[in-house]
Amino acid sequence: GENVEQHPSTLSVQEGDSAVIKCTYSDSASNYFPWYKQELGKRPQLIIDIRSNVGEKKDQRIAVTLNKTAKHFSLHITETQPEDSAVYFCAASISIGGSQGNLIFGKGTKLSVKP
Amino acid sequence: EAGVTQSPTHLIKTRGQQATLRCSPISGHTSVYWYQQALGLGLQFLLWYDEGEERNRGNFPPRFSGRQFPNYSSELNVNALELEDSALYLCASSLYYQETQYFGPGTRLLVL
Repeated sequence: GENVEQHPSTLSVQEGDSAVIKCTYSDSASNYFPWYKQELGKRPQLIIDIRSNVGEKKDQRIAVTLNKTAKHFSLHITETQPEDSAVYFCAASISIGGSQGNLIFGKGTKLSVKP
Repeated sequence: EAGVTQSPTHLIKTRGQQATLRCSPISGHTSVYWYQQALGLGLQFLLWYDEGEERNRGNFPPRFSGRQFPNYSSELNVNALELEDSALYLCASSLYYQETQYFGPGTRLLVL
């Protein structure tokens, strides 16, 4: 089955710096790659996602890149702010019978942005 | 539009007991997913229901089971509770033809 590895497990940056989180997946059939942000005591919230037919997607300060050949994808956050501090999870899933299947998550990256 | 809701918010059980967790998806969503978030282990996929049928199952023992009702709400049952079942159980829902999964607030299960 699918396996998703995520690095680093913790990341500390200064406010205004960039942060990069990397994930690799094992199943070449995976075709959907979302990123979720989970603040302490709250539910995971989708922040950006990418499908396998796209190499890069950007939404304001957040961008995701996908390399299908190498089976890895990355989250880039520019101009980090203290409110970006949270745990970030990458995930992968496969389309099954016309429906998008369950997500397989990485173990998460705890991002701390120091003012 | 109301989000995904889960009940109860907290549940305390003792070893060997059974737990029942409930999830109501966003209106119009037919797919429901269950995930376990244990400390330090990230989110692990448990079960996926769509149109009342179990579509996929994660690597969990058979004492984890569930069902989806005609109104698309779902129930997760955990039998013969063990201490390591203590975790946050998250439910997510999606439209069957769309990828985005929306999460509920979770049920925190504590097994003593």
